[in-house]
Amino acid sequence: GENVEQHPSTLSVQEGDSAVIKCTYSDSASNYFPWYKQELGKGPQLIIDIRSNVGEKKDQRIAVTLNKTAKHFSLHITETQPEDSAVYFCAASKGTNAGKSTFGDGTTLTVKP
Amino acid sequence: DGGITQSPKYLFRKEGQNVTLSCEQNLNHDAMYWYRQDPGQGLRLIYYSQIVNDFQKGDIAEGYSVSREKKESFPLTVTSAQKNPTAFYLCASRKGYTEAFFGQGTRLTVV
Repeated sequence: GENVEQHPSTLSVQEGDSAVIKCTYSDSASNYFPWYKQELGKGPQLIIDIRSNVGEKKDQRIAVTLNKTAKHFSLHITETQPEDSAVYFCAASKGTNAGKSTFGDGTTLTVKP
Repeated sequence: DGGITQSPKYLFRKEGQNVTLSCEQNLNHDAMYWYRQDPGQGLRLIYYSQIVNDFQKGDIAEGYSVSREKKESFPLTVTSAQKNPTAFYLCASRKGYTEAFFGQGTRLTVV
């Protein structure tokens, strides 16, 4: 089955700096890659996603890049703010797999004011 | 407002008891999922259902059971056979090939 590895497990940055989180996946048939943000005691919420027919997608301060050949994708957050502090999860899925997603282990991002 | 609701938010279980976690969605989503989250770990799939009256085991189904009698509801029972049930449980739903919408979670503690 699919295996998703996420790095780093913890990341601390100064407010205003950029943060990058990387994930690799094993199943070359995976074609949908969402990123979720989870705040303490709450459920994850989608912040951005990308499909395999696109190499990059941007939404204001957040961007995701996908390298299908290398089977990795990354989340980029620019101009970080304290409210960006949370746990971030990447996931991979394919349309033929009942919508099941395989999640990375998460990255705890801390933005210091 | 459309959304997915889990209840209760906190649940305490005595050893040997079965407990049921509720998950309801009014998003008209076909697929629903139950995940378990342990500290420092990702989400692990317990059970999922793509359609009413049908469900499949996920990666860690032992000690859990589910039902899907209505499209809107997908309750999870944690049975006494689950040896380490203390965890944060997340329910999600999805329509087609899109993002998953998550509930706010239920924190289950064995006392």
